[in-house]
Amino acid sequence: EVQLVESGGGVVQPGGSLRLSCAASGFTFSDHYMDWVRQAPGKGLDWIGRIRNKANKYTTEYAASVKGRFTVSRDDSVNSLYLQMNSLKIEDTAVYYCVRVYGSDWSTHYFDYWGQGTLVTVSS
Amino acid sequence: DIQLTQSPSFLSASVGDRVTITCRASQGINNYLAWYQQKVDKAPKLLIYTASSLQSGVPSRFSGSGSGTEFTLTISCLQPEDFAVYYCQQLNSYPLTFGGGTKVELK
Repeated sequence: EVQLVESGGGVVQPGGSLRLSCAASGFTFSDHYMDWVRQAPGKGLDWIGRIRNKANKYTTEYAASVKGRFTVSRDDSVNSLYLQMNSLKIEDTAVYYCVRVYGSDWSTHYFDYWGQGTLVTVSS
Repeated sequence: DIQLTQSPSFLSASVGDRVTITCRASQGINNYLAWYQQKVDKAPKLLIYTASSLQSGVPSRFSGSGSGTEFTLTISCLQPEDFAVYYCQQLNSYPLTFGGGTKVELK
């Protein structure tokens, strides 16, 4: 059974940093691209970043709203995905979801599994 | 960035109704479109990928269609468990973007 379990959320002051983790199990983690998606309270879904697999050199993509502040990384040896968030702003307050990307071709970039999410609150 | 416009944003329907949600893209997306369902306080769930392919385990009353810039999600016979928010997502280019969502509520 595929499982994605996020952790690391909490309350942080504006300008602060936080690191989210996502523990993956039930599939060959190293084969898959992995993404982060967030959802502000009462709002829609917002894609924030991607890390490709080793075969694609672990390259990354980011939304403009987080580029330069957030970093997606992974450790295939422990089946984990990370999101380092720096210079946090009040508008970064959201539930953050770890998601598995089904395949490597553009036609297969859909999100077939989602974690339960972890809440990040940026507040003074 | 590719903008996705969903309509309607809110839909009131009864059990047994046929429901159609539209997603319009600001430019062509090669049918690289997915639909997700999100229930209250739950993570989204994949329903449809590449515009019309049904994800494994999803009931056949859900279907997707469309091409180019206009796509639809249809629920043929609404069930009580289908009351939720539905999102489209384009997977054609970065940044990946979602539609604003359609909330399906009980009439």
